[in-house]
Amino acid sequence: DTAVSQTPKYLVTQMGNDKSIKCEQNLGHDTMYWYKQDSKKFLKIMFSYNNKELIINETVPNRFSPKSPDKAHLNLHINSLELGDSAVYFCASSLQGRTEAFFGQGTRLTVV
Amino acid sequence: EDQVTQSPEALRLQEGESSSLNCSYTVSGLRGLFWYRQDPGKGPEFLFTLYSAGEEKEKERLKATLTKKESFLHITAPKPEDSATYLCAVQASNGGATNKLIFGTGTLLAVQP
Repeated sequence: DTAVSQTPKYLVTQMGNDKSIKCEQNLGHDTMYWYKQDSKKFLKIMFSYNNKELIINETVPNRFSPKSPDKAHLNLHINSLELGDSAVYFCASSLQGRTEAFFGQGTRLTVV
Repeated sequence: EDQVTQSPEALRLQEGESSSLNCSYTVSGLRGLFWYRQDPGKGPEFLFTLYSAGEEKEKERLKATLTKKESFLHITAPKPEDSATYLCAVQASNGGATNKLIFGTGTLLAVQP
């Protein structure tokens, strides 16, 4: 049983397109995140939702719009994709408080 | 500004050759320090959480320690399967309701047989 699963694993698309990445967790966690890992492997938080409420938005362009239909799901929609959006996007989840986050396998987005 | 610095960037060891990875942090109130392992093409895998200076955690050949300014990940008699990127992250207590992790850039460990 996969704890945090995201789809698709790979996404290749042209500049200007709109795409979505889906994430689901079956750990019973109340907080979910999107992180971006750049070509130098640096992981940086983008968004965090707690009980479907947005609590972190780290100055991400508004072309990125997260949506959390329920506590177990957090999707990421990206409009008007740009070359610089190419990266690996990780979904993660945790319990509120001083707890570790569990990560999905990542979605490698390539914009051509 | 909260910051995490890891060293070295890359480390090559012979099988059985013990060593340590360093994670230095600057944070306005530490809520927790986390170590993760990341294999190529995979997401980070949780290893340890440390909450206060003096705390130590062990798992197989790995031992994590914490001081007020840094954390070490000691690898004893490593095996080739320990090869991975090791990531350190901190959670700041001034983050309020947020649980965000601030990551270092990682140490790429290669263990040769």
